[in-house]
Amino acid sequence: GENVEQHPSTLSVQEGDSAVIKCTYSDSASNYFPWYKQELGKRPQLIIDIRSNVGEKKDQRIAVTLNKTAKHFSLHITETQPEDSAVYFCAASMGNSGGSNYKLTFGKGTLLTVNP
Amino acid sequence: GAVVSQHPSRVICKSGTSVKIECRSLDFQATTMFWYRQFPKQSLMLMATSNEGSKATYEQGVEKDKFLINHASLTLSTLTVTSAHPEDSSFYICSARDPHSNQPQHFGDGTRLSIL
Repeated sequence: GENVEQHPSTLSVQEGDSAVIKCTYSDSASNYFPWYKQELGKRPQLIIDIRSNVGEKKDQRIAVTLNKTAKHFSLHITETQPEDSAVYFCAASMGNSGGSNYKLTFGKGTLLTVNP
Repeated sequence: GAVVSQHPSRVICKSGTSVKIECRSLDFQATTMFWYRQFPKQSLMLMATSNEGSKATYEQGVEKDKFLINHASLTLSTLTVTSAHPEDSSFYICSARDPHSNQPQHFGDGTRLSIL
């Protein structure tokens, strides 16, 4: 099955700096890569996603890049703010190929702390 | 607003009790729902895929007789933790797939289960 590795496990930055979180996946059949932000005790919230036919996607201060050849994708947050502090998870999905039924495989998460 | 409703949000009960958690899609029909378990400071681990009108598909290592899943309608899936023990204490989160949405899964708010 799919395996998703995520680094770093913790990341501390100063307000206004950029933050980058990287993930790799193992199965070349994966074609959908969402990123989630989870605050303590809350549901994961989708912040941005990218599909395998696109190399980069941006939404205001958040961007995601995908390198299909190398099987890795990254989350970039610019001009970080204290309210960006949370745990961020990457995930990968193969859609419905191979009977995977759209299930998501998550990375282990990154605790991002933005210091004022 | 929330498109997936999960209840209860918090359960505290004695060892040996069976606990039922409900997951409802509010404004779409979900033929597929997913059940995750998340231990403190860890990632979301998929337990099983719930398929409407058929048996659930369990991930390796998840006991199907321990975690009973019923998906009897297009808007409701239930997870019953049978004879719960302290090691079953965790955060359980459901998600539902909306086939008409660009976001493949919508998450519920989660259920914090504490077994004394």
